[in-house]
This record gives sequence, C-alpha cells and structure tokens, in this order.
Amino acid sequence: QKEVEQDPGPLSVPEGAIVSLNCTYSNSAFQYFMWYRQYSRKGPELLMYTYSSGNKEDGRFTAQVDKSSKYISLFIRDSQPSDSATYLCAMSLSGGYQKVTFGTGTKLQVIP
Amino acid sequence: EAQVTQNPRYLITVTGKKLTVTCSQNMNHEYMSWYRQDPGLGLRQIYYSMNVEVTDKGDVPEGYKVSRKEKRNFPLILESPSPNQTSLYFCASTSLDTQYFGPGTRLTVL
Repeated sequence: QKEVEQDPGPLSVPEGAIVSLNCTYSNSAFQYFMWYRQYSRKGPELLMYTYSSGNKEDGRFTAQVDKSSKYISLFIRDSQPSDSATYLCAMSLSGGYQKVTFGTGTKLQVIP
Repeated sequence: EAQVTQNPRYLITVTGKKLTVTCSQNMNHEYMSWYRQDPGLGLRQIYYSMNVEVTDKGDVPEGYKVSRKEKRNFPLILESPSPNQTSLYFCASTSLDTQYFGPGTRLTVL
C-alpha cells in the first residue's frame, strides 16, 4: 500500500463546476499538507500549504485536512478551462519541505 | 523575478557516463530539493538540502549524489547512470510557505 493514495482520474467537469480532489494517507505522523498544480511539460506549482487539521482558503481554492480520517481535499470553485492540469497532493512530517511524499496526481479537465 | 533554472533541459546519454544536472535559484532560499517524476509513481524525493553543506537523503537516493557548496546552487550528480535512472528530474527551492520548481530535465540513459 502506498503511503499517499490519489485517484489518477482523469476527471472531466464543465466550466463553472465545483471540483473536489482528494487524497488519503496512511502515516498519521504527517503534519504538513500541500497541493500542487502541474501543467503539461511544466514543473509543479505550489497552490496551498497547510499545517495540521482545518481549512485554508485562497481565492477559488480551499484546502481541507481531516487528520482523524487521514484525508485531505482541494476544492476549486467556479472552475475554468485554465484549471485543466494535474493536481498533486503532498505531505511531510516536518515543515520546510523535508522528506516530502507525493501522491501520483489527478488529471483534471475543465470543459468550456 | 523568482527563478529556478536547470541545465540541461534534455539529455540523452549512455550507461556509465558520469553526468551532472545543475540547479540554481535566485531567491536566497535555504531549502533545495531534487525529485524525479515517473509515470504511475509520481514525484519522489531524491535528496534535499537545508543549507550550505547540509544535505540528506530523500526516498530514492541510490545512484545519486548532491553537493551544496553555495546557497544558490544544488547540482545532482549521477556517477554511473543506468537505464532505470531515465526519468524527468525537477529541482525545487523553498522558503517557509513558498516553493518554486525548475522547468525539469528529461534524462534518457541508453
């Protein structure tokens, strides 16, 4: 079993939809949780960085962490075609991005 | 402009021929990391560095070396590349809650 599980998709939604992306993990010691967006042939781009449980909002993006269930989510409101990319979750035991473990990514397509 | 540069961007080489992939950042970040990305396996951390002369292994360090002699540079060295090191490599530079990745280096080892 992988430490971090992420549905690879692809996930296709119409423009304007609310998108929910999820990851589960097995290591309860993870404390820091990240979401990245990766466009084709580009490096990942950090979207959200959260510590421990709770919600964090940034524009159309909301990250949610439920440590009791070992489950994290990224919500995208009013999705746009420009959101079409692969979304990677990641987590680490300590801050500073040491020993980071990534999910395999979910490919999202937002259809105009 | 915040930037992480990697060179070369593409490289085809043969088994056993030593190579270095360079990584440089202009943000004065303390943390830098190397990752490889493979289909179905996602991004896996090779090595990371918390500061000059401070490095540690990630999840897949076998067959790789790194050095951090200056804060801005973090080269990845493959002393004797093998075909299973064919991959897409990313360097990342980090400070607190910001992180920037380089554009990637696609390496093929024949």
